Amino acid sequence: DVKVTQSSRYLVKRTGEKVFLECVQDMDHENMFWYRQDPGLGLRLIYFSYDVKMKEKGDIPEGYSVSREKKERFSLILESASTNQTSMYLCASRSGTHLEQYFGPGTRLTVT
Amino acid sequence: QQQVKQSPQSLIVQKGGISIINCAYENTAFDYFPWYQQFPGKGPALLIAIRPDVSEKKEGRFTISFNKSAKQFSLHIMDSQPGDSATYFCAASREAAGNKLTFGGGTRVLVKP
Repeated sequence: DVKVTQSSRYLVKRTGEKVFLECVQDMDHENMFWYRQDPGLGLRLIYFSYDVKMKEKGDIPEGYSVSREKKERFSLILESASTNQTSMYLCASRSGTHLEQYFGPGTRLTVT
Repeated sequence: QQQVKQSPQSLIVQKGGISIINCAYENTAFDYFPWYQQFPGKGPALLIAIRPDVSEKKEGRFTISFNKSAKQFSLHIMDSQPGDSATYFCAASREAAGNKLTFGGGTRVLVKP
């Protein structure tokens, strides 16, 4: 069974803080994704990575950066958290040969 | 600009009834259309998916209907059960663009016993 784990289920940060969200997958998947989920907007892609040290911007990359130093780990970084980044953040992974994405349980981030 | 529009936002159906969720897309280059199911406190999980070369795909009580000319696809949940209560997301992607998924806004389905 594919397992995607995220470092925190709930996180509360203050405006201006640097925030790290960690994601780990155990299936040796090449592709990893970060989404944010907001009511009525569905899931929107922030960044994705198709290999170690490789990254591409998604639809809403502003205010975010990512890091992928190891194949199993993909980090999302909020350089200076703002209240409009309060959201549910979902990580996903996918192999290079199959289309199904496997999601983690999500991190609900609140920025006050 | 939302490239995949999903309706309705919420749906209440009686046990045994049919749940229907509709999605419309704009990009004719999309070539993969999955539906994801999300239970509270969990991440989404793939439910069923279709390619545009077929008009319908059925897996158990779940059916995708696809209308390429209208750029629409829908999910039908037959004999809806309380355990089907979840949020459903349609999505679309283009293989040539790395299969990055573009999601609809989601539909919260509540099946009443």
